[in-house]
Amino acid sequence: DGGITQSPKYLFRKEGQNVTLSCEQNLNHDAMYWYRQDPGQGLRLIYYSQIVNDFQKGDIAEGYSVSREKKESFPLTVTSAQKNPTAFYLCASTEGGLGYTFGSGTRLTVV
Amino acid sequence: AQSVTQLGSHVSVSEGALVLLRCNYSSSVPPYLFWYVQYPNQGLQLLLKYTSAATLVKGINGFEAEFKKSETSFHLTKPSAHMSDAAEYFCAVSDSGGSNYKLTFGKGTLLTVNP
Repeated sequence: DGGITQSPKYLFRKEGQNVTLSCEQNLNHDAMYWYRQDPGQGLRLIYYSQIVNDFQKGDIAEGYSVSREKKESFPLTVTSAQKNPTAFYLCASTEGGLGYTFGSGTRLTVV
Repeated sequence: AQSVTQLGSHVSVSEGALVLLRCNYSSSVPPYLFWYVQYPNQGLQLLLKYTSAATLVKGINGFEAEFKKSETSFHLTKPSAHMSDAAEYFCAVSDSGGSNYKLTFGKGTLLTVNP
């Protein structure tokens, strides 16, 4: 079945560490997105990519970085510059903009 | 710039009662509108979408929504709530004329269904 796989499901980060969240899709979608979800805040866009080797900042890109070397993959790195990284992170993809397909999310906790 | 306002962060209904979740949007161009559902610790699942065809849109699980341009609204309804409908619901808008397909989400409405 086609879909989006996010891993790991749970991730713990120590202060000052960089961590990378994986997002892989086998839907052959061109566009991919990373959102951050906090209770009562809805979803906020971190980064998005419309084609391989190109990506744009979203509304809350500070402290995050991405790459898009392959169409299927769009990993997100949460850097030590992100002061409040504890959140639920969702990856999504779309073809033609008529609705996103979401992954099941990664819950990141700072310990 | 686009924006979405969901009225009521928490809605509680009895099983069998009407479900009404409110969404108002702001967009400078004709919008595409979406409703998503999220169960705890899961991703979002598309319930239904409006893409400038029929203004009354039917989705999965018995949900429907009506696009009202004059009221800039896209409220979600279901005639009879089931216990399994308990979840968080998000309304979203995108620019139908844009090429980046970015979705702007509301803050969500948590639906509780009481037996």
